[in-house]
Order: sequence, then structure tokens, then C-alpha cells
Amino acid sequence: GAVVSQHPSWVICKSGTSVKIECRSLDFQATTMFWYRQFPKQSLMLMATSNEGSKATYEQGVEKDKFLINHASLTLSTLTVTSAHPEDSSFYICSAPKLAGAPSTDTQYFGPGTRLTVL
Amino acid sequence: ELKVEQNPLFLSMQEGKNYTIYCNYSTTSDRLYWYRQDPGKSLESLFVLLSNGAVKQEGRLMASLDTKARLSTLHITAAVHDLSATYFCAVGILGNEKLTFGTGTRLTIIP
Repeated sequence: GAVVSQHPSWVICKSGTSVKIECRSLDFQATTMFWYRQFPKQSLMLMATSNEGSKATYEQGVEKDKFLINHASLTLSTLTVTSAHPEDSSFYICSAPKLAGAPSTDTQYFGPGTRLTVL
Repeated sequence: ELKVEQNPLFLSMQEGKNYTIYCNYSTTSDRLYWYRQDPGKSLESLFVLLSNGAVKQEGRLMASLDTKARLSTLHITAAVHDLSATYFCAVGILGNEKLTFGTGTRLTIIP
């Protein structure tokens, strides 16, 4: 089946630094990827839609200057948390909606997640 | 704005028992998904439901969809410890690839 990878799996950083998280589709091309954030014991909240070759679309309340998204190729999207603070500590999960050519109702493929801890 | 609610939020049940998790959503949808999440892990796809009356079963889990009532159920039969996890439903809207997730149901199966 389709595989989506994320790197790193977990990261601990100091407050004020920036952290980059990568999301890769390993065996298929993804023109669209989604970035979610999940706080402990809570549901997934969509942060933004990453579009290959164009600007990302951010959900209401998500600061686009703080969470920089780049979708430079059909297999890679990156999320950079700039000037991270402890409240940004969370589990970040990316997903790709479907395989190219598959029905639009196909399931999404989720990455394994990246756990970010900001000290 | 699409809202998705699950009930219950927490569930502790004994092995061998049956139970149903409910997922209600607020606007017309063309697809509904069920996912499983183990602690510290990402999501595992369980079911995709695309039409009114759709029913899918895998092992001890069975999912159904009633689009008129905007309701999906995930039924657990003769629960076993391995089913302990958090279960999410997620709903999509026609023409939009975004998903809105439910609140999640944290299920604990006790011996």
C-alpha cells in the first residue's frame, strides 16, 4: 500500500529556534498534502493544505508566518515551525489524500507523525 | 462549518462484550472514514463508507453509515484487549479533499 514517511520522528528543541519537519510520499506522487496537529488526548486539527507548486492554504487561526509550508516537489512537503515556543509542543501528522488516479473518495494515507517538544 | 461529534468520548468495557461508538456530523457528506490510533502512533485506516446504508466489517469491528441521519456507527463485537485504542471518525465534503475529524473515542478493554 501507499506509504507516507515523516522525518524526524521526534524532536526536542529550545524555545525560539526553528524546526523543520518533512513529509514524503514514498511510492506515489502527491500534489496535495495535509498537515495536522494533535495535542495530547485530543483529536486531529487540520492546520493547512500543502499544494505542490503553489502557496499553502491555512485554516482559520493558524499563523502562516509561524508555520511555513513548502511543497517543492510531488513527493515532499515540509513544515517549518519558526521561533518555536512550548505551546507549539504537539504531535504533527501529515497525510496525502489519495494515490494519483485513484477515486477522490479513497482513503487518506497518514504519516507516522512527528512529536515536537519545545523546552 | 462541518462539525463532527463522537459519543462516547471514553469507554471502558470488559472483554467479550459488545458496544457501539457513534459519529454524528452536521452537513451533507460524501464519505466517512474510521481510523484507529494507538498511543504515540499515527492513524491506521479501518473503513471507508461512501453511500447511505453502507456496511463494512473487519474482524470484530463493523461500521455503518446513514447519510440521512448523518450518523455512522462503529460496532464492536466480543471485544478483546487488542482493540484498546482511540477511534476517530472523519468526514469529507463533496468536492473538497479536506477531512474533519471527530472528537475521538478512547476505548479500553479490560479483562
